[in-house]
Amino acid sequence: DQQVKQNSPSLSVQEGRISILNCDYTNSMFDYFLWYKKYPAEGPTFLISISSIKDKNEDGRFTVFLNKSAKHLSLHIVPSQPGDSAVYFCAASLNYGQNFVFGPGTRLSVLP
Amino acid sequence: GAGVSQSPRYKVTKRGQDVALRCDPISGHVSLYWYRQALGQGPEFLTYFNYEAQQDKSGLPNDRFSAERPEGSISTLTIQRTEQRDSAMYRCASSSTRSPYNEQFFGPGTRLTVL
Repeated sequence: DQQVKQNSPSLSVQEGRISILNCDYTNSMFDYFLWYKKYPAEGPTFLISISSIKDKNEDGRFTVFLNKSAKHLSLHIVPSQPGDSAVYFCAASLNYGQNFVFGPGTRLSVLP
Repeated sequence: GAGVSQSPRYKVTKRGQDVALRCDPISGHVSLYWYRQALGQGPEFLTYFNYEAQQDKSGLPNDRFSAERPEGSISTLTIQRTEQRDSAMYRCASSSTRSPYNEQFFGPGTRLTVL
C-alpha cells in the first residue's frame, strides 16, 4: 500500500508555462515533505521542502503548497524551462526527516 | 566538493552469490541511508545509520540483507545468497544534522543484476 502517491507518471508542459506536479499521502502523521529532482543516470537531488506547520514555501521559480486536510501537496514551477525536464519525486517523513517515504515519481518534459 | 560515491556502479552476479555494495558518504555527514529503487518507482527505504549506530532496519526485506557502518563513515550493504528478485538500483544517501532542510544527498547508485 503506497503511503505517498504521485498519480501522474508523466507531464508535458510548454516552455514558459507553469508546471504543476501533484503528490498525495495517506499518513496524517507525516510532518515534513521534500521534492527531489532526478536526471537520467544521476541520483535524486534535493529541490525544496516544507514542514507541516506551513502551507507554502517558495524558492525562486519553485513553490510547494501543502494542504494538510486533503493530505495533498503540489510543486509549481513557473516559468518552466527545458532544463527542468526530469523525474520529480515527492517524499514524506515522520519526525522531521528520520525516515523518508518516496512517491513513484512524475516525469516532467518541458517542450521548447 | 565530493558528493556521495558508490561502488561498484554496476554489479552482475549469479543467483546464490553474495554481494557487497559500498557507500562513501559526504565527509562529516552523520546520517547514512540505504534505499532500493525498482524501475519506474521511487527509492524504497532499507535502513539508516547515525554515526556507526544502525537506527532503523525495518526496511530490510529479509535476513539475507545486512548493513554496517563500523567507523561511522563508509557503509557496506551486503546481500547474501542473492536471488533474481534482488535485482534493482541500490542507492545510498547521506545527510548532515547541520542542514536546515534535512535533505539527503544521493549517490549515483549501484545497479545490481542477479542472473
